[in-house]
Amino acid sequence: SYVLAQPPSVSVAPGKTASITCGGSNIGMKSVHWYQQKPRQAPVLVVYYDGDRPSGIPERFSGSNSGNTATLTISRVEAGDEADYYCQVWDTSSDRPYVVFGGGTKLTVL
Amino acid sequence: QVQLQESGPGLVKPSGTLSLTCAVSGDSISNGDWWAWVRQAPGKGLEWIGEISHGEISHGGSTNYNPSLKSRITMSMDKSKNQFSLKLTSVTAADTAVYFCARTSYGSGTSPFLDYWGQGTLVTVSS
Repeated sequence: SYVLAQPPSVSVAPGKTASITCGGSNIGMKSVHWYQQKPRQAPVLVVYYDGDRPSGIPERFSGSNSGNTATLTISRVEAGDEADYYCQVWDTSSDRPYVVFGGGTKLTVL
Repeated sequence: QVQLQESGPGLVKPSGTLSLTCAVSGDSISNGDWWAWVRQAPGKGLEWIGEISHGEISHGGSTNYNPSLKSRITMSMDKSKNQFSLKLTSVTAADTAVYFCARTSYGSGTSPFLDYWGQGTLVTVSS
């Protein structure tokens, strides 16, 4: 099965830029989606197809994907961005494809 | 606006069957979209359980399941009520989690993502 590796935690000062990575074998060949989850809430899609943003998601959220690493970048970080972030791909390596999530990264705003 | 709402028992006995339903409004589950279940154990990350679609393979639709749970999962749809369901058999304490239902979308590509989620419901497995 396909494994996605995320750092458990990332810390950033307000106003600075946060980068959250998602590692996987040749992940650049896949499409990566990102979710934000605040405590006791359902996840919210913040980036899809590597770098597209759903309606209502600030332009401060962007993404990239190349080689073995996909990255979610949050510019001008705000206190309200503090949350867990998960990457997700579609694993098509078997005859029955399925959704795979990374382990999640807790973003702390200092 | 698409809305999803999970319902079902919050407590299930070990070795029993977990049964949840997701009611959908603002969209029809019969339109060909895929409808998914995701769970999150306390303090842990997200785990995709599986998905179902009103498909051509059988009257019950098409399904894709997480290989690690496949032997214990059954998903179904009730088009008349616009809702879909999850059954997980032979549960243990390890199945204690918040269970979310969600809509799967593909946008303009071929990789699915989950764009609408229910609020989630906590299911505890305990005697």
